[in-house]
Amino acid sequence: GAGVSQSPSNKVTEKGKDVELRCDPISGHTALYWYRQRLGQGLEFLIYFQGNSAPDKSGLPSDRFSAERTGESVSTLTIQRTQQEDSAVYLCASSSRGDRVWETQYFGPGTRLLVL
Amino acid sequence: KNEVEQSPQNLTAQEGEFITINCSYSVGISALHWLQQHPGGGIVSLFMLSSGKKKHGRLIATINIQEKHSSLHITASHPRDSAVYICAGGGADGLTFGKGTHLIIQP
Repeated sequence: GAGVSQSPSNKVTEKGKDVELRCDPISGHTALYWYRQRLGQGLEFLIYFQGNSAPDKSGLPSDRFSAERTGESVSTLTIQRTQQEDSAVYLCASSSRGDRVWETQYFGPGTRLLVL
Repeated sequence: KNEVEQSPQNLTAQEGEFITINCSYSVGISALHWLQQHPGGGIVSLFMLSSGKKKHGRLIATINIQEKHSSLHITASHPRDSAVYICAGGGADGLTFGKGTHLIIQP
């Protein structure tokens, strides 16, 4: 079946502009995760959605970052007033039950964001 | 806050060599995941383990719970094994990732 997809693959924007990144999880997966990977760094957790529960937003670095998810499907990560330090690969993952400790997460290909 | 440390950061070896990548983790982590990130960026889960040892093909993962240490081994390494290998610890706050080990296998 289809894996996790993300769009766009690459995004170049100017400092101060807003960007929207999209993630389509694997059909039927209740949990969805957003991560950020800066050059040469490990993955950083941003936000976690599980079913209809309130999302865990504890990883969002500032109030310029927000994310939404429609039911158990598509999610959008929005970065407002982008800064150069927002340049990174943004990765989305999904899992079937949302067990954050034990469950395998399936990753999308990522969106490479470059803020000029 | 959970922590995960990997070593080495970079590893270059010749085809056929036995490869070992190490991961140490902090108290609070219950499960250890090994992931592979291909040069194109895609990430694939290799193993999840909480005790003992798991094997898949030429890949072997071990974990020592008392020492809070895990290793990923690759036997008979091949250039197609070249990738970044990431250790991640699963705890109450989700996964905490190591910085990865960049492995290059030369023919």
